[in-house]
Amino acid sequence: KQEVTQIPAALSVPEGENLVLNCSFTDSAIYNLQWFRQDPGKGLTSLLLIQSSQREQTSGRLNASLDKSSGRSTLYIAASQPGDSATYLCAVRPNQAGTALIFGKGTTLSVSS
Amino acid sequence: GAVVSQHPSRVICKSGTSVKIECRSLDFQATTMFWYRQFPKQSLMLMATSNEGSKATYEQGVEKDKFLINHASLTLSTLTVTSAHPEDSSFYICSARSGGKVNEQFFGPGTRLTVL
Repeated sequence: KQEVTQIPAALSVPEGENLVLNCSFTDSAIYNLQWFRQDPGKGLTSLLLIQSSQREQTSGRLNASLDKSSGRSTLYIAASQPGDSATYLCAVRPNQAGTALIFGKGTTLSVSS
Repeated sequence: GAVVSQHPSRVICKSGTSVKIECRSLDFQATTMFWYRQFPKQSLMLMATSNEGSKATYEQGVEKDKFLINHASLTLSTLTVTSAHPEDSSFYICSARSGGKVNEQFFGPGTRLTVL
């Protein structure tokens, strides 16, 4: 059964720092991997989606990498801002048809000004 | 990206009542819809998967008679929490996937259920 782990569970950084969030998954047979942002009490905002054939995706200050064979992904946030404070969720879609995204528990990021 | 709506966004009810949550895909046809539940400070846990016109497939530990799912059309799925109890209080999030090339899964904004 696919399991997704995110490290660290929480992270506090001063504004301006670059940071890396880690995600690992136990079964490398994935269709894609997606990073989401969730603000307290709110729904999910999709940040980046990486297909299994891709190595990375970039959007603004965000860069996500995927190493499928080792079961790892990282989300790199450059020049962090207080507005980046949120919980970041990693989710993988298994390769089997019709299966749902499986989520990690998330990393709660706090960026102080 | 595609838009998925949920209604209501927040509901408070008395113990023993039933609550219906609607999930709609607004600009695409959702061949598959998923229902997740999220308890405070926890991640999203998949409850069930439904395909239009078929019975939902429930995850282990989720009572199908308590959480009724109806995927009546390619744009609408409903989750009914029957005889709700305080332990059912949670954040319920629906998700929809089209059968298109990218086949991305899009999420609704969630429904906060509080059972008194």
